[in-house]
Amino acid sequence: DGGITQSPKYLFRKEGQNVTLSCEQNLNHDAMYWYRQDPGQGLRLIYYSQIVNDFQKGDIAEGYSVSREKKESFPLTVTSAQKNPTAFYLCASSPRPGSLAEQFFGPGTRLTVL
Amino acid sequence: AQTVTQSQPEMSVQEAETVTLSCTYDTSESNYYLFWYKQPPSRQMILVIRQEAYKQQNATENRFSVNFQKAAKSFSLKISDSQLGDTAMYFCAFMKVAYSGGGADGLTFGKGTHLIIQP
Repeated sequence: DGGITQSPKYLFRKEGQNVTLSCEQNLNHDAMYWYRQDPGQGLRLIYYSQIVNDFQKGDIAEGYSVSREKKESFPLTVTSAQKNPTAFYLCASSPRPGSLAEQFFGPGTRLTVL
Repeated sequence: AQTVTQSQPEMSVQEAETVTLSCTYDTSESNYYLFWYKQPPSRQMILVIRQEAYKQQNATENRFSVNFQKAAKSFSLKISDSQLGDTAMYFCAFMKVAYSGGGADGLTFGKGTHLIIQP
């Protein structure tokens, strides 16, 4: 079955630690996205990538970093510079960036800072 | 930059009733796409319906339809014959059109409306 997988489902981090969230898709999509969801805030765009080896900052990129070395993978690193990282993180992909094509979402990762 | 506003944080209706969720947006773009996504308690995001701004005809998908008013920058979602499984958070989202050479972006979401369908 084609789809998007995110791991882990739950992640706990101590303050000052970097942590990496995994996102893999087997849909052969060019574009991939990371969103953050906080209660009452909807989803906000962190980073997006239209093609391998290229990515752009979204609205709330500070304290985060990404890489896109393979078409299938778009990992997100939450660094110690992110002041309030506790949130639900969603990865998405679409076949064509900036189009009517549906963005398919993964199941999400819940990150909690202890 | 664009903004999306959903003015109803929560709505509750009886099963089989019709309900309308409101969404307004602000943008300087002339061409764009609009979406409604559903997020049930499982938190999986599911596309409900989508609309191209240059198409005047309102999109429909079975029990779901939109009222798109481009001049008013309004994009409301109507759910007919509501079912218990429609209980979820509903998000309105905006995406600008990407042209060759770039300009692509992600989705801009509203804060959502929590819809509760009562038995």
